[in-house]
Amino acid sequence: DVKVTQSSRYLVKRTGEKVFLECVQDMDHENMFWYRQDPGLGLRLIYFSYDVKMKEKGDIPEGYSVSREKKERFSLILESASTNQTSMYLCASRREGYTDTQYFGPGTRLTVL
Amino acid sequence: GEDVEQSLFLSVREGDSSVINCTYTDSSSTYLYWYKQEPGAGLQLLTYIFSNMDMKQDQRLTVLLNKKDKHLSLRIADTQTGDSAIYFCAESPSGGSYIPTFGRGTSLIVHP
Repeated sequence: DVKVTQSSRYLVKRTGEKVFLECVQDMDHENMFWYRQDPGLGLRLIYFSYDVKMKEKGDIPEGYSVSREKKERFSLILESASTNQTSMYLCASRREGYTDTQYFGPGTRLTVL
Repeated sequence: GEDVEQSLFLSVREGDSSVINCTYTDSSSTYLYWYKQEPGAGLQLLTYIFSNMDMKQDQRLTVLLNKKDKHLSLRIADTQTGDSAIYFCAESPSGGSYIPTFGRGTSLIVHP
């Protein structure tokens, strides 16, 4: 079974803090994704990565950056957290090829005070 | 750009059938997916259908695709309280980076 894990289920940070969200997958998938999920807005893509050291902006990259130094790990970084970044963050991975489904982690609920 | 639309809420009684509808705009979509999200959890793939099919059945789940109208539906037979969740429709384009587009999700509430 594919397993996608996220470093924290719940996180509380203060405005202005630097926040790291980590995602690890164990199936050697090339593609990895970060989404945020807000009520009534569904999933919005923040960044995705085709492969190691490769990244592409999604629909809402502002205020975020990412890092993919190893194939299994994709990190989302909030350089200076703001209250409007309070959300559920979901990581996903996928084997290369559009016919393959994405596998999601359990999510990190981030609250920025 | 691509757009996927779903109604936000659906309420049914336990034992009834549930039908969740979805419309999409990208006529080049190759795969269409239904994901389920239980409270506090990530998304889990329920089923998918290839665009050259019009129906797929898997136990209590039936997916219908009307490619002409760009309409996808998920029918859950004999709905149980454990089916209460958010259901997301997603479509995967045939070109570009193959990034799927998700609908906003339909919250299914099952009453005993």
